[in-house]
Amino acid sequence: GQQLNQSPQSMFIQEGEDVSMNCTSSSIFNTWLWYKQDPGEGPVLLIALYKAGELTSNGRLTAQFGITRKDSFLNISASIPSDVGIYFCAGREYSGGGADGLTFGKGTHLIIQP
Amino acid sequence: GAVVSQHPSWVICKSGTSVKIECRSLDFQATTMFWYRQFPKQSLMLMATSNEGSKATYEQGVEKDKFLINHASLTLSTLTVTSAHPEDSSFYICSLEDRKYNEQFFGPGTRLTVL
Repeated sequence: GQQLNQSPQSMFIQEGEDVSMNCTSSSIFNTWLWYKQDPGEGPVLLIALYKAGELTSNGRLTAQFGITRKDSFLNISASIPSDVGIYFCAGREYSGGGADGLTFGKGTHLIIQP
Repeated sequence: GAVVSQHPSWVICKSGTSVKIECRSLDFQATTMFWYRQFPKQSLMLMATSNEGSKATYEQGVEKDKFLINHASLTLSTLTVTSAHPEDSSFYICSLEDRKYNEQFFGPGTRLTVL
């Protein structure tokens, strides 16, 4: 199946810094989703994007659906210790027949130094 | 968002045995659920789509006879790993689709270790 290219693979930042990560795809997606996963747990949905060019915020998180529908970015402002974890982008194509599974990026491991 | 539970949260079994993992939707009726697998330090990979009242749809490379999926009701899907081997050791996560909001919500996952 297709893959999403997510970068960076890991980030080491100071508390209070802003964070930016992105995903690109060779295919067009109709939905982009950003998840956070803590160790030993399932992913938790952060932001969902449905339209090309859409910019959506959730607290300190902001994500955008690229105009070409082949990319998306996630920004975290003023990072805090609880932001530590692995962030995944996920995309979904619309088959027209019903619900579709997600294609995930490889994740960005965020590490925050106090 | 929808609340999804999985049982068990972890399981250790001997090679050759079968293991059943349950995925329940606690507050939502889901006609479609998804099963993913995640190996250590890797991303989630879709295994199959579970459809209530019909056969599951498997992704390429996933053996349908090894990973049996039963979606018996709108709130329960089960994944049975048959004749498990050490290479099947992984984190198995289910999700369900909220068609109204076009979002997927994940369960907490089941850690399978095959000795």
